[in-house]
Amino acid sequence: AQTVTQSQPEMSVQEAETVTLSCTYDTSESNYYLFWYKQPPSRQMILVIRQEAYKQQNATENRFSVNFQKAAKSFSLKISDSQLGDTAMYFCAFMTDSWGKLQFGAGTQVVVTP
Amino acid sequence: DAGVTQSPTHLIKTRGQQVTLRCSPKSGHDTVSWYQQALGQGPQFIFQYYEEEERQRGNFPDRFSGHQFPNYSSELNVNALWLGDSALYLCASSRRDEQYFGPGTRLTVT
Repeated sequence: AQTVTQSQPEMSVQEAETVTLSCTYDTSESNYYLFWYKQPPSRQMILVIRQEAYKQQNATENRFSVNFQKAAKSFSLKISDSQLGDTAMYFCAFMTDSWGKLQFGAGTQVVVTP
Repeated sequence: DAGVTQSPTHLIKTRGQQVTLRCSPKSGHDTVSWYQQALGQGPQFIFQYYEEEERQRGNFPDRFSGHQFPNYSSELNVNALWLGDSALYLCASSRRDEQYFGPGTRLTVT
């Protein structure tokens, strides 16, 4: 069975600083997709960034970047220049095929303070 | 371009009742997935619909059923509601590997 583990229940960061969220997963598949989703208090789940396992280059979307270590089955998210609007629950998610189900971790609550 | 929409926003039901939740996918998307998110937890996959058929199903009892219409919109039905069914129900639409979520329906069972 595939599992996704987020070991940090909550992280606090000051505005303009950088925070890194960790995620590990377990799978026997060779190709898969990894995602980070953000869920603010409004409840809307928003896709932040995605990574395809066969691509070695780490994905980047503006202030968000990932460190994908396939051998270690690790997929961390770095938020640079943190903004108050980044305050949200962040979920790491995993998918084994292009149309399959998403499997989510338990989430990490990020709080950005002034 | 409207994103994924869900209705209603929230509702309250009594144990034993039945409920229907609705989802309209993002334009151009043909696949709809449903997730249940209990308070303080990550979403759990219920099932996925493609071409009006259930393509995959998670570990949920038969009380949870669904439907997809020719316009790709979808319904989630839950029969014989339990207190434990209280959760946020999320719908996600996709065409390939990126799933886009709606705002969810908050269901409270009393």
